Amino acid sequence: DAGVIQSPRHEVTEMGQEVTLRCKPISGHDYLFWYRQTMMRGLELLIYFNNNVPIDDSGMPEDRFSAKMPNASFSTLKIQPSEPRDSAVYFCASSLGLLSYGYTFGSGTRLTVV
Amino acid sequence: GENVEQHPSTLSVQEGDSAVIKCTYSDSASNYFPWYKQELGKGPQLIIDIRSNVGEKKDQRIAVTLNKTAKHFSLHITETQPEDSAVYFCAASILQGAQKLVFGQGTRLTINP
Repeated sequence: DAGVIQSPRHEVTEMGQEVTLRCKPISGHDYLFWYRQTMMRGLELLIYFNNNVPIDDSGMPEDRFSAKMPNASFSTLKIQPSEPRDSAVYFCASSLGLLSYGYTFGSGTRLTVV
Repeated sequence: GENVEQHPSTLSVQEGDSAVIKCTYSDSASNYFPWYKQELGKGPQLIIDIRSNVGEKKDQRIAVTLNKTAKHFSLHITETQPEDSAVYFCAASILQGAQKLVFGQGTRLTINP
């Protein structure tokens, strides 16, 4: 199993540009999570899906952020327009069951908005 | 809101000694407590977890203890090795609209050879 796959690993973009982060969860996992990690705020849950349906998006900072999961093997997190304060490492994770087993995290996307 | 407090933020121990990281939580309904290890440039990796129906769990050099009355849980690493150097996160399940995991702020553990 290749684990959770995220792309790109690094993204540098100019303020105001659209950014799309991608995630392929582990096959068979029914939950997918998007987290953001910063020094100041630690690991923050942005949104999670169950069977491709968004369950809790209360962590999404504002309307500039959107996430989709069109099928069981793919999810995107989009920021439009991007701002310097969005600079962070974004992690995708998947699990079998919400709290039955641990989450498997991807390697993350380091986003820098200049 | 419900949160998880983790201490210390940094910890340095001599190789072979033990390391202890502590977390407290506020939601009395929390029932699942995982610990994650994050190495540089990688995502967090689950190393051990415990549920509210047990007080202690061990896996080789790693153990976790839970005190539900006091709402705190701890990670114990014995016979530390240089490869244990990493950032460790505790987490607790909470019900805030929907069930979710809330993470502590992390502990940077350094093992000195």
